[in-house]
Amino acid sequence: QSALTQPASVSGSPGQSITISCTGTSSDVGGYNYVSWYQQHPGKAPKLMIYDVSNRPSGVSNRFSGSKSGNTASLTISGLQAEDEADYYCSSYTSSSTPLVFGGGTKLTVL
Amino acid sequence: QVQLVESGGGVVQPGRSLRLSCAASGFTFSSYGMHWVRQAPGKGLEWVAVIWYDGSNKYYADSVKGRFTISRDNSKNTLYLQMNSLRAEDTAVYYCARGPPYCGGDCYSGFDLWGRGTLVTVSS
Repeated sequence: QSALTQPASVSGSPGQSITISCTGTSSDVGGYNYVSWYQQHPGKAPKLMIYDVSNRPSGVSNRFSGSKSGNTASLTISGLQAEDEADYYCSSYTSSSTPLVFGGGTKLTVL
Repeated sequence: QVQLVESGGGVVQPGRSLRLSCAASGFTFSSYGMHWVRQAPGKGLEWVAVIWYDGSNKYYADSVKGRFTISRDNSKNTLYLQMNSLRAEDTAVYYCARGPPYCGGDCYSGFDLWGRGTLVTVSS
């Protein structure tokens, strides 16, 4: 079982907005601002979409945004496009003996 | 161009060893913290280990602690993962990934460059 909890799947139609949640504890998501989000297409390496809760790397569309409230981080994708269909993973620094944990991943389907 | 290329994967019997390499190019390798992340077939991502830019600190996931060793040779722009006492559950694609520059405690602040991965299969 992953340390961070994500919904197994979410879906939306082109042009709509969706939000993927990532729930942890005060020892990880809630205690630190080292939350990141990754996009992974089948057979490809992950791609960094958001770091430090809400920062977008250069080159990532501003349709992607991140936030955090308490022990839950969220990734919002606005104006859904077909190419957004992928798996999304959150990660967080944690004060446990394993310093970084990932969520179980969320499969985004664009209808 | 800026890239990471992993190598060294393959099929290995349980209990044996394997060493993975990750060759970096196109950026100042010695300035960045580096990580290994793995992904079992059909499963999610699992963080494995980190080494700071100067090799001064290394940290591991509990699942590999005492069996895996991360190291780097900044003169060769190469990251390594020595894997001993391999188990079936270590079967995965292993990715190397770049952390922030000159990172210490913030080495976990997003991995902005990933290799394509190398497959390790542990089976008799």
